[in-house]
Amino acid sequence: KAGVTQTPRYLIKTRGQQVTLSCSPISGHRSVSWYQQTPGQGLQFLFEYFSETQRNKGNFPGRFSGRQFSNSRSEMNVSTLELGDSALYLCASSLASSGANVLTFGAGSRLTVL
Amino acid sequence: DAKTTQPNSMESNEEEPVHLPCNHSTISGTDYIHWYRQLPSQGPEYVIHGLTSNVNNRMASLAIAEDRKSSTLILHRATLRDAAVYYCFPRRAGGTSYGKLTFGQGTILTVHP
Repeated sequence: KAGVTQTPRYLIKTRGQQVTLSCSPISGHRSVSWYQQTPGQGLQFLFEYFSETQRNKGNFPGRFSGRQFSNSRSEMNVSTLELGDSALYLCASSLASSGANVLTFGAGSRLTVL
Repeated sequence: DAKTTQPNSMESNEEEPVHLPCNHSTISGTDYIHWYRQLPSQGPEYVIHGLTSNVNNRMASLAIAEDRKSSTLILHRATLRDAAVYYCFPRRAGGTSYGKLTFGQGTILTVHP
């Protein structure tokens, strides 16, 4: 059974550019959530989608956005990149968003902003 | 938001048991307690989760306090492959925090050969 796939794995951008990251969840999983991981702030919740609807959002500026498609694949976008956006971006999928559902994480997309 | 407190780091010797504590005093009645671990350059991986009763699986055991405000992850015989950052968090079942997770800083487990 294929795991959660994130693409690209590594990318380098410059300040002011935008970036789109992709996440393909495990087949049958309808919930996808995104996280930013940095050495200083640790793992921080970005947003969560279920059945193409954003159900919750973390405390990030509007430059961070996302969407989910009908096949449950999800993308997140960061516009007007800043140096501080350099991070490992992780997505996780689960069957649903209830507390009993286990999360499966992807390997992450490592973004470097120069 | 739910908050968790874990020790920054712990050490163990190989083949010895390890008890990793977690305080989640703001847990709600329907929250499940989840534990994940993260190896370098990888995403977190699931370890174990539970609601009220103690839980066992092939990787570990989870002991949940009677008031559910704390839990302990037990690795019965630590191996070098268990060296990782361990995160615990309550997973909300619904309401305004639906799907929203608040990670603590995690515990860095070092296992000595």
